[in-house]
Amino acid sequence: IAGITQAPTSQILAAGRRMTLRCTQDMRHNAMYWYRQDLGLGLRLIHYSNTAGTTGKGEVPDGYSVSRANTDDFPLTLASAVPSQTSVYFCASSSRSGDADTQYFGPGTRLTVL
Amino acid sequence: GQNIDQPTEMTATEGAIVQINCTYQTSGFNGLFWYQQHAGEAPTFLSYNVLDGLEEKGRFSSFLSRSKGYSYLLLKELQMKDSASYLCAVKDSNYQLIWGAGTKLIIKP
Repeated sequence: IAGITQAPTSQILAAGRRMTLRCTQDMRHNAMYWYRQDLGLGLRLIHYSNTAGTTGKGEVPDGYSVSRANTDDFPLTLASAVPSQTSVYFCASSSRSGDADTQYFGPGTRLTVL
Repeated sequence: GQNIDQPTEMTATEGAIVQINCTYQTSGFNGLFWYQQHAGEAPTFLSYNVLDGLEEKGRFSSFLSRSKGYSYLLLKELQMKDSASYLCAVKDSNYQLIWGAGTKLIIKP
């Protein structure tokens, strides 16, 4: 693989179910991020991790949890999905070195909660 | 609060030039990014500005004025493949990216 992969590509989920969105990168980037993108709104940060073993809350963390057991993987879990979590979810990573620290994005997961 | 403003939608003609503006009010400033996002795809990096002035990269240029809280993305010699949304994002004092809602650019033949 090259870059960032996400799984699944899309998912329809019943409200109240638990769901884990997977994200894996092979660029050895230190930092990883989870965003949601909703129509008419900018990307909103859910959680982030500056390095393996650490995580932090973003702008909209409620209802979501993350873990960062190693450099490559950064799963996002919805403990009990609600319809307002219907969105497109993007995982991103960056090296955390240099001024630009450009973020690179995975292809996204389209999640529908009914 | 933190705010990034961009026009919602713009239309331009193939072969022409278009300027997409972005104004921002953020807690701190550590750089401004422009990303391109085609429908149904992931955002991809276009440019980065941290100092005032113009950065040119092929058909795309990006300008920054920190004193005015203003940036623009200039696209020259427009091609149909440039039809996409263009996202402006500012890195704030916590080094987190604050994103605008994006400008949908429609290119007409």
